[in-house]
Amino acid sequence: DVKVTQSSRYLVKRTGEKVFLECVQDMDHENMFWYRQDPGLGLRLIYFSYDVKMKEKGDIPEGYSVSREKKERFSLILESASTNQTSMYLCASSLLHQREKLFFGSGTQLSVL
Amino acid sequence: AQTVTQSQPEMSVQEAETVTLSCTYDTSESDYYLFWYKQPPSRQMILVIRQEAYKQQNATENRFSVNFQKAAKSFSLKISDSQLGDAAMYFCAYIGLGGSEKLVFGKGTKLTVNP
Repeated sequence: DVKVTQSSRYLVKRTGEKVFLECVQDMDHENMFWYRQDPGLGLRLIYFSYDVKMKEKGDIPEGYSVSREKKERFSLILESASTNQTSMYLCASSLLHQREKLFFGSGTQLSVL
Repeated sequence: AQTVTQSQPEMSVQEAETVTLSCTYDTSESDYYLFWYKQPPSRQMILVIRQEAYKQQNATENRFSVNFQKAAKSFSLKISDSQLGDAAMYFCAYIGLGGSEKLVFGKGTKLTVNP
């Protein structure tokens, strides 16, 4: 059974902390994505990566960075967490030329206090 | 830029009845896919149905079917014989195949199924 695993289901952090959200997929997918989900706003793309050490900005990259040192792992980094980054974060992956077949993780609900 | 609009933030339906969720999109591309995703309280995004733009025939998956109107850029989801397990957030999504190929989502419709 294919899987996209996000390391934490719930996370509580303080303002100013450096936060790492981890995502691992076991399907040998080239593409990996980080989305942010907010009520009334749907899902918005933060960053994506189509290869190891490659990254591209999505629609709302400000305040975030990413790391992809290994093919199976894609990390979202909040350099200095702020309260407006309280949100649900969803990771997804797909094969390089099958971006229409996206597999999602179960999400990390991040609260920044 | 491509946009996806879901004009119904919330909908409700009686169990066993039929409900239609609306979605419109804006694009200049000719080759693309459209999707409906379901997100239950478990938060797992589940692909409900997919439509290739080049196909004129509307996609169906058991109780789920779409009404794809390419000229009108409309892509509605019909759920027949609604069940309690259909209660969820439903997201319409678009991906173009000629450009950046990023999945773009609508804001979602929360569906409540009343027993």
